[in-house]
Amino acid sequence: EADIYQTPRYLVIGTGKKITLECSQTMGHDKMYWYQQDPGMELHLIHYSYGVNSTEKGDLSSESTVSRIRTEHFPLTLESARPSHTSQYLCASSEGGRGTSSYNEQFFGPGTRLTVL
Amino acid sequence: RKEVEQDPGPFNVPEGATVAFNCTYSNSASQSFFWYRQDCRKEPKLLMSVYSSGNEDGRFTAQLNRASQYISLLIRDSKLSDSATYLCVVGDYKLSFGAGTTVTVRA
Repeated sequence: EADIYQTPRYLVIGTGKKITLECSQTMGHDKMYWYQQDPGMELHLIHYSYGVNSTEKGDLSSESTVSRIRTEHFPLTLESARPSHTSQYLCASSEGGRGTSSYNEQFFGPGTRLTVL
Repeated sequence: RKEVEQDPGPFNVPEGATVAFNCTYSNSASQSFFWYRQDCRKEPKLLMSVYSSGNEDGRFTAQLNRASQYISLLIRDSKLSDSATYLCVVGDYKLSFGAGTTVTVRA
């Protein structure tokens, strides 16, 4: 089993609220990712990080922001939640930092299912 | 054009059958290839990496065709527990996920 955790697992919240989705891994991985996935659809990369103080935007434009102050922690924040943000958010991590030539297996957390009313 | 394209299925097969499906990718510079499995409402989990020479893991065989830019997955002697969505994953400096092929194995 992968040692990557996400909280909360489920969140139902009203429009306009600020939310933070937590993601932590205990594997010492440098690379971490956030994906968004709607039911029956593919994963879309929204943010990634090569290591501490490194964050990049992914392929899918997102109003969320991320931070990477510690290696093991990669929280995602929505300043003002809207119904269009309703989705599943999956966090993942893999070995290797920036410049690593081979792309290693990504380990996924259990996801946060967000519903914005 | 999507970076990774898969036949969504569903492939509905009886137990013990062999099922095979492909995915195509658009970036010829891709260096890493994987098959992930995702159960309903769960996170994806690595099924197997795909190597240039092809590789086998028990009942699962993966092949890579760089010239035609596709990878394949074959499942032999399918079990009820093989029912899942199989995600094709391709990358160079970052990974791209296909939308998945759904396989349902019936008793």
